Amino acid sequence: DVKVTQSSRYLVKRTGEKVFLECVQDMDHENMFWYRQDPGLGLRLIYFSYDVKMKEKGDIPEGYSVSREKKERFSLILESASTNQTSMYLCASSLSTSGYANTGELFFGEGSRLTVL
Amino acid sequence: GEDVEQSLFLSVREGDSSVINCTYTDSSSTYLYWYKQEPGAGLQLLTYIFSNMDMKQDQRLTVLLNKKDKHLSLRIADTQTGDSAIYFCAESFRAAGTALIFGKGTTLSVSS
Repeated sequence: DVKVTQSSRYLVKRTGEKVFLECVQDMDHENMFWYRQDPGLGLRLIYFSYDVKMKEKGDIPEGYSVSREKKERFSLILESASTNQTSMYLCASSLSTSGYANTGELFFGEGSRLTVL
Repeated sequence: GEDVEQSLFLSVREGDSSVINCTYTDSSSTYLYWYKQEPGAGLQLLTYIFSNMDMKQDQRLTVLLNKKDKHLSLRIADTQTGDSAIYFCAESFRAAGTALIFGKGTTLSVSS
């Protein structure tokens, strides 16, 4: 089974702190994603990466950065946390090939709930 | 731009059928998906349908796709209390293997 592991389930940080959210997948997937989930807004894509050291902005990249130094690990960084970044953060991964057998399914971690005070 | 719309809440009685509806905008979507999120957990793929299909059935789940109207539905037969969750509709953004666009999610509440 594919496993996507997010290092912290719950974090509480103060405004202005630097925050690292770590995500590791064990299925050799090329693509990795960070979404945030907020009530009534659903899932919104922050950043994604289709290869090591590659990254692309999603719909709401402001205030965030990412790092993909190794294929299995994708980190989300909040340089200076603000209260409006209080949210559930979801990491996901998927295969890159667009062959017939690949359905494009995303595999999700359990989520990291971040509270910024 | 691409958008996926779904109603936010659905309440049913145990044993009844549930139908969750979704509309999408990208006619070039290759796959459409239904994900389920239980409280405090990440999303899990429930089922998917390839865009050249009209219907897919998997045990209690039936997915209907109307490409002309860009309408997708998920029917859960004999709904159980364990089906209470948030259900997300999603479409593929570009090609298989890249970012998905999700709807806001439908919260299904099942009462006994």
